[in-house]
Order: sequence, then C-alpha cells, then structure tokens
Amino acid sequence: EDKVVQSPLSLVVHEGDTVTLNCSYEVTNFRSLLWYKQEKKAPTFLFMLTSSGIEKKSGRLSSILDKKELFSILNITATQTGDSAIYLCAATQGGSEKLVFGKGTKLTVNP
Amino acid sequence: EPEVTQTPSHQVTQMGQEVILRCVPISNHLYFYWYRQILGQKVEFLVSFYNNEISEKSEIFDDQFSVERPDGSNFTLKIRSTKLEDSAMYFCASRLRGVETNTEAFFGQGTRLTVV
Repeated sequence: EDKVVQSPLSLVVHEGDTVTLNCSYEVTNFRSLLWYKQEKKAPTFLFMLTSSGIEKKSGRLSSILDKKELFSILNITATQTGDSAIYLCAATQGGSEKLVFGKGTKLTVNP
Repeated sequence: EPEVTQTPSHQVTQMGQEVILRCVPISNHLYFYWYRQILGQKVEFLVSFYNNEISEKSEIFDDQFSVERPDGSNFTLKIRSTKLEDSAMYFCASRLRGVETNTEAFFGQGTRLTVV
C-alpha cells in the first residue's frame, strides 16, 4: 500500500528556533514530493521536489529530497508565530493524478 | 492571484439527503480534483477529472458520489444519500496541466460537511 509518513506529528517551539520536519514515503513509481502549509483550511503550496539532493529555498523555508533513502525534510529557520500551521507532505506517482498525503506535522511557534 | 473557490464553506445536512458541493477552479486550469479530510485524519484523494470525464477515482468514490462540470466554470461533487461517515472537509483542487508536468495543484478553502 502506498504511504507517506510524517514526523513528528506535533512540535512546539519558541520564536527564533529552527525546526526540521520529516517525511518518508513508500509509493510505487514515485514521481515527486510536495510540501503544503495548512493554516486554517486550504493547503497552500510550498515546494515540489523531483530530484535528489537539490535544495529548494524560499525565504526561511527550505526542503530537500533523498530518493535513495525515500525521505524529504522541510527546514524552517528563525521561526515566527505566523509559521504555526499543519505542514503536509504528499507524493505523486507516475500514471496517477492523485496526491498521497501524510498525516501532517502540527507546528506551534510560541512567542 | 487566481484561486480556487468553494461554496458553501459549511453545510449541515440530514442523513440520507443529497448534497452538492460547488467549486470554481482557476480559470485556465484543465485538471480538477476532489479530496476529503475527515477530522484528525489524512487528506484523501477522491477523484480526478479531465476533458469532461473522470480520469481516476479512489475506492472511497463509490456509486453514491458523482462529479460534474455543468458549465465552463463550475465543478461539482454530489453525494446522493449522505451517511454520517461522510462528515468531513471536502477540498476541491485544480492544476494547469497533468501531474506528469510537475505543476502544483491549488486547493480551495474547503467545504465542511456535517451529516446529522
């Protein structure tokens, strides 16, 4: 069965901390891995990763994919309270339109 | 910035009733999707729709579900006879091109369906 597993499920940090969120996947015919941020309702797109070892960066957020070990990490440096959200990881597969989601990591950043 | 819009934001319905959830995808997008998220659980794929037909569906998407693109802008999900376990947040998403082009899917704000 195709699956995406995220860890930790929940994380509480203080403003200014750096966090690393983990995502491992086991999907047939893997194509890409995506990260989304879900604040109140709609997941909003952060990154799409298709190649191993190439870091994608957007401001304080960065992500990298390891296709050999079948995982990805999302790093957030100098966290702010506005980073508080659920971070979702999802995989896509060749020959399929669907996203296979993990359960998400709930990040809480306290002032 | 273009966005996917869903209506209503919250719907309460009695068990056994039919509901229609509505979505307006981003205007030039060609691929449309419905996902659901039961409270506390993963976001789950229901169906994908392209070129006016279902291109893929999950086991969840049984005979009580149907989708339609009745005009050039709306994309609807119908649940014929709702069950308590259909209570969930339903997300519509759209994508400019197919997943093989590695373009991202954009999600709407969701419709929270409560079946009582």
